[in-house]
Amino acid sequence: GENVEQHPSTLSVQEGDSAVIKCTYSDSASNYFPWYKQELGKRPQLIIDIRSNVGEKKDQRIAVTLNKTAKHFSLHITETQPEDSAVYFCAASFTGGGNKLTFGTGTQLKVEL
Amino acid sequence: EAQVTQNPRYLITVTGKKLTVTCSQNMNHEYMSWYRQDPGLGLRQIYYSMNVEVTDKGDVPEGYKVSRKEKRNFPLILESPSPNQTSLYFCASSLSGRIGNTIYFGEGSWLTVV
Repeated sequence: GENVEQHPSTLSVQEGDSAVIKCTYSDSASNYFPWYKQELGKRPQLIIDIRSNVGEKKDQRIAVTLNKTAKHFSLHITETQPEDSAVYFCAASFTGGGNKLTFGTGTQLKVEL
Repeated sequence: EAQVTQNPRYLITVTGKKLTVTCSQNMNHEYMSWYRQDPGLGLRQIYYSMNVEVTDKGDVPEGYKVSRKEKRNFPLILESPSPNQTSLYFCASSLSGRIGNTIYFGEGSWLTVV
């Protein structure tokens, strides 16, 4: 069935360090992989996404890499700042259900001063 | 301003008392869906709608109903709420049901069933 696994569940880094969150997915037909940031009590916000025809995408301090063969993708945040502290969710599209996303279980990122 | 609006934002109700969570979008989006968010489980899709009068089950539809009589509205109905439906609910919409369209989430509705 459709499944997205996400690790780690919690991540603590020092300000300025890099953070990496990893996800694996079950369906080789998946072709769209967004990442969402959710601050406490707020809605998920799309921060970056990648499609299956691309191996890497960057947007300032954020990058996502995709390995289709291994069915895993990762979020990289460089030069972390306190405002990066939030819960991050990876997601993947699966066939059927229209524009449906299956989400990972989330990573609580804490950036310490 | 483009937005997805849910109501109520916070609700405490009792087991068995029917309730409706409304969702409205002002972007003329075809695709709308409902997710619930539970600790350690991420977001899971409850129901979705590809367009007016077209709805279908997501991953966790038990205990819920939806309707799509108008393009802008997609209410979530709990006919007989139970405590296991205590959760944070998000309505979402996108331009179409095509995979990869940007998904816009509402602000969320915190529901507690006692």
